[in-house]
Amino acid sequence: SQQGEEDPQALSIQEGENATMNCSYKTSINNLQWYRQNSGRGLVHLILIRSNEREKHSGRLRVTLDTSKKSSSLLITASRAADTASYFCATEPNTNAGKSTFGDGTTLTVKP
Amino acid sequence: EAQVTQNPRYLITVTGKKLTVTCSQNMNHEYMSWYRQDPGLGLRQIYYSMNVEVTDKGDVPEGYKVSRKEKRNFPLILESPSPNQTSLYFCASSYTGGGSNEKLFFGSGTQLSVL
Repeated sequence: SQQGEEDPQALSIQEGENATMNCSYKTSINNLQWYRQNSGRGLVHLILIRSNEREKHSGRLRVTLDTSKKSSSLLITASRAADTASYFCATEPNTNAGKSTFGDGTTLTVKP
Repeated sequence: EAQVTQNPRYLITVTGKKLTVTCSQNMNHEYMSWYRQDPGLGLRQIYYSMNVEVTDKGDVPEGYKVSRKEKRNFPLILESPSPNQTSLYFCASSYTGGGSNEKLFFGSGTQLSVL
């Protein structure tokens, strides 16, 4: 079963607005990563946050991690039409090195 | 150019006809992994390899085989494909696996249809 679960499943916003996606997971982890996928193509790494970090920034992206709640959020600020894609969180359990579990993703549509 | 190369990009086959999907990376990565993605879902891990001659099952290994004889190659083998293996397959690699906080580099995917 998938460890990571994102919500919402789909999100539609106007260009310039902020987009927030959430990810929940079930077991203790080493790190949590966010990936982006454009329409059936390969995933592209966005940002990694370690289990001892609470917040991380990269350009217009902000990721938070709450290990007590086993959840993470990805915030995209000042969204652009080019941000339209699916976004996935991926976790690596700290009890099973090498295994990775992806959530079902959030499909983001940014309208120009 | 640093990349993960999968072949073929598209494959249509019939039930029971053995096939191999190749994956090669040119980044000297130790860790490689195979995933399948079904419509509307995230990626599910099939098999992974921490290094040469070391492979382990992911969440959905049934019906698949892998081998890691060389560092750069990690082929996915379907000995007797069935229609429920129709899916989009991705290969990925990273410098190391297992808690080392390494990001994954993905191939472009192989769309497999089993009739």
